[in-house]
Amino acid sequence: GENVEQHPSTLSVQEGDSAVIKCTYSDSASNYFPWYKQELGKRPQLIIDIRSNVGEKKDQRIAVTLNKTAKHFSLHITETQPEDSAVYFCAASNGNQFYFGTGTSLTVIP
Amino acid sequence: GAGVSQSPSNKVTEKGKDVELRCDPISGHTALYWYRQRLGQGLEFLIYFQGNSAPDKSGLPSDRFSAERTGESVSTLTIQRTQQEDSAVYLCASSRGQGAFGGYTFGSGTRLTVV
Repeated sequence: GENVEQHPSTLSVQEGDSAVIKCTYSDSASNYFPWYKQELGKRPQLIIDIRSNVGEKKDQRIAVTLNKTAKHFSLHITETQPEDSAVYFCAASNGNQFYFGTGTSLTVIP
Repeated sequence: GAGVSQSPSNKVTEKGKDVELRCDPISGHTALYWYRQRLGQGLEFLIYFQGNSAPDKSGLPSDRFSAERTGESVSTLTIQRTQQEDSAVYLCASSRGQGAFGGYTFGSGTRLTVV
C-alpha cells in the first residue's frame, strides 16, 4: 500500500516569511495530492490540490509542487500571516483510498 | 445535504458502554471514510466504504469497532465496550469516489470522551 511521510512535524516562522512543508509517497500509482488545513478544534479543509500531470499549482499565497520522479510534493506558503497557523496534512490518492501524512503544526509568530 | 453531517457532536460515555456515531455524507458522494484523531495527533484511518463494494476495514483497531453503511448514504460507526483509550474525535469524510478527484469533505466530527 501507499506510505506518505511528512516533514517537519512542527514549524515556526516569523510573520511575512515563507513556510515549506514536504511530503514523500511510495506508490507510483498515486495521481492526486491534496493538502488540508486544520485549525484548532475544527475539521480539516482542502486548501489546494495537484494532479500528477501537473508540476506546480498556485493559488494566491499558497503553491504546491510535485516531482513524480522523486515521488515528493511540497506545500509553499509565502508572506505568512498569523491566521496561517494550523496543522497541515498532505495526502496521496490513486483515485480510491486517501493516505495522509502525519501532519505539520505551523505557527506563525507575529 | 450541503456538507458532511455528523452526530452527535459530543458524546460522553461510561467505560464499558456501547456508542454509535452517525455520518451523513454529501449527496452523490459514493465514498465514505472514518478517521480517528486523538488530541494533537494525526488522522488515523479506520474504514472506507466505496459504493456497493466490500468495505476496507483494515484500519479498525479491534473487534470492538464496527461500521455499516446503507447504500451510498448514512454510515454508523459502533464502538462496543468503550475504553478510555477510545477517547478521541471521530471524523467522517466523503468524496465523489473511485477515480474521482476533488479531495475529501470532512464532517465536524464527534468528540467522544470515555470516563
